[in-house]
Amino acid sequence: DIQMTQSPSSLSASVGDRVTITCRASQSISDYLSWYQQKPGKVPKLLICSASSLQSGVPSRFSGSGSGTDFTLTISSLQPEDFATYYCQQNYNTPHTFGQGTKLEIK
Amino acid sequence: QLQLQESGPGLVKPSETLSLTCNVSGGSISGSSYYWDWIRQPPGKGLEWIGTIYYSGTTYYNPSLKSRVTISVDTSKNQFSLKLTSVTAADTAVYYCARHSAHRGYDHWGQGTLVTVSS
Repeated sequence: DIQMTQSPSSLSASVGDRVTITCRASQSISDYLSWYQQKPGKVPKLLICSASSLQSGVPSRFSGSGSGTDFTLTISSLQPEDFATYYCQQNYNTPHTFGQGTKLEIK
Repeated sequence: QLQLQESGPGLVKPSETLSLTCNVSGGSISGSSYYWDWIRQPPGKGLEWIGTIYYSGTTYYNPSLKSRVTISVDTSKNQFSLKLTSVTAADTAVYYCARHSAHRGYDHWGQGTLVTVSS
């Protein structure tokens, strides 16, 4: 199985901050990497697929980059609605595995 | 607009079989570009992929659950189903059905259903 490791596991930040979350795969997954946002009690929402392709309707302050084993999700200017848990997930092969999540909290 | 909706018992006894169905509306489950998955999330924890099925019936399962999982599809009803046998408390989770296309993410999800394993 491909292991996905996110860092940090939690992060405190303020509205307006620039935030970066990293995700590392245990082997190369090309660009088959997706990012999700999940708020408490809600369904995960796909933000980015193919490492850098922003889903329709997702604000442009979200961006993704990387290929191979190292990936990043960047939020350029945090908004109040961005405080949530973020997951990366590889769809290079099965089993599709998720990172453990990064909880983004208000400082 | 594509919608997915899980249904099934919210409470299952230990050692019994968990059975859920995902009804797909607003689009055909037989579309050649898509796979249909089950994902779960124990309370307060992260996401775990259970398995996937293509409309043709081809399946892939998480090796950690493979001996207990069966995913099936009924194209005539536009739905797919999950069976998980010999459940324990560790199987208590919110179960989601979701759609993805090859090498892309899960773009549509059901609202999730909490299944509790308890006597």
